[in-house]
Order: sequence, then structure tokens, then C-alpha cells
Amino acid sequence: DTGVSQDPRHKITKRGQNVTFRCDPISEHNRLYWYRQTLGQGPEFLTYFQNEAQLEKSRLLSDRFSAERPKGSFSTLEIQRTEQGDSAMYLCASSLDAGVYEQYFGPGTRLTVT
Amino acid sequence: SQQGEEDPQALSIQEGENATMNCSYKTSINNLQWYRQNSGRGLVHLILIRSNEREKHSGRLRVTLDTSKKSSSLLITASRAADTASYFCATENTGFQKLVFGTGTRLLVSP
Repeated sequence: DTGVSQDPRHKITKRGQNVTFRCDPISEHNRLYWYRQTLGQGPEFLTYFQNEAQLEKSRLLSDRFSAERPKGSFSTLEIQRTEQGDSAMYLCASSLDAGVYEQYFGPGTRLTVT
Repeated sequence: SQQGEEDPQALSIQEGENATMNCSYKTSINNLQWYRQNSGRGLVHLILIRSNEREKHSGRLRVTLDTSKKSSSLLITASRAADTASYFCATENTGFQKLVFGTGTRLLVSP
């Protein structure tokens, strides 16, 4: 148990619907990351936060995706107007800070868009 | 896009044997981390090795890093059926804060 929790664990939605995922990092961790993983591939970076500030966004994060970390604690990732290509495992990770600190991952949210 | 590749893509061994997985990457790094992932589940952190380190141990795991060759290896000694999983290397590249993952090695340990 890494201490990072994600909710929901599974989400099935119809194309065109909006979905929101939540991540609760390890409590003292300043850094929070979102990754996406498709079948048979390694995770790919989406975005990260230092406390409440979103410092980097991947080109994978289209304008349909938005992430927030309003109080520097939990984070949400919203996907608007979902497409079948959004089907993937969405992973959240946290670390104490940058540099030589490990990133600890949550169990992920598996999204299926039908 | 993926940073590099793990080799082999799949490895099948018997319990008690050693398993070696290799990882190659493309750019200069701050550190390299190895993770394990059981089917359909989250990633479990195994070892972090810094760019100025050459070798690190944790229990049955040994990681080496050769920055001149931009490569790392993970050795699991005396493997167990419970080691069956996918193993990923991930680099934190110089000047960036995110992890860039390889393509993974699927390890199967048979009893």
C-alpha cells in the first residue's frame, strides 16, 4: 500500500460524456503527477503540480482535459466530451519534492469509453 | 513518447533462477527508477538510483547504472512465482521533473 488513493477505480462512460477522477496523495508530499497508461505500454506523463501550482502539461493533454489541485492536497482530472481513444488507465503519483525523491503511485482509475 | 526500451520484452524463467532486465534511455538524467506492475494494477516503486551512483541493492534486487552507455539493469536473484509482473524503468531527465517510462519487461516465473 503506497498511500496514494484514487477514486473511482473503474469508470465506464459513453462517448461524449464528461468524467472526473480524484487523487489523494501521500499527505506530506508537495508534488502530484498524473500519467496515462494504455495496454502494453509504459505510463506517459500528463501533468504535474507543485503544491497548488500546475507547472507542466504534456502535449497529450488536449483542451478537453483539465486538472486541478485547489488547496495543494487532493487533485482532480476532468475529461470533457470523452472519446474512445481516452480509454486507458489514469495513474496518479506523488513525491515529497523534486530531484531524488521517489514517485509513489496510486492504484489507478481504469476508464472505458464505449 | 517512451524514453527508451527495456530488453527483453518478455522473460520466462523457473523459480530460483535469476532474472536480468535491461533498460536503455536517450538523454542525460537526474535519476533512474525501477517499478513493478502486476496485471491491471498500479505501479510499485522498487529502487531509485541517482546519476552519480553505479550500483544499488535492495533485498533480492540489484540495480546498476552506466551513464556513459545510457543503460541500466535490474537483477532479481532467487526469483519466486510472486515476482511475476511487468517491470518498468523510468528516468527523471535533467531539467525536467516528470518520469519518462520505458516499454517494460514482462517477467513470468514458473513454480
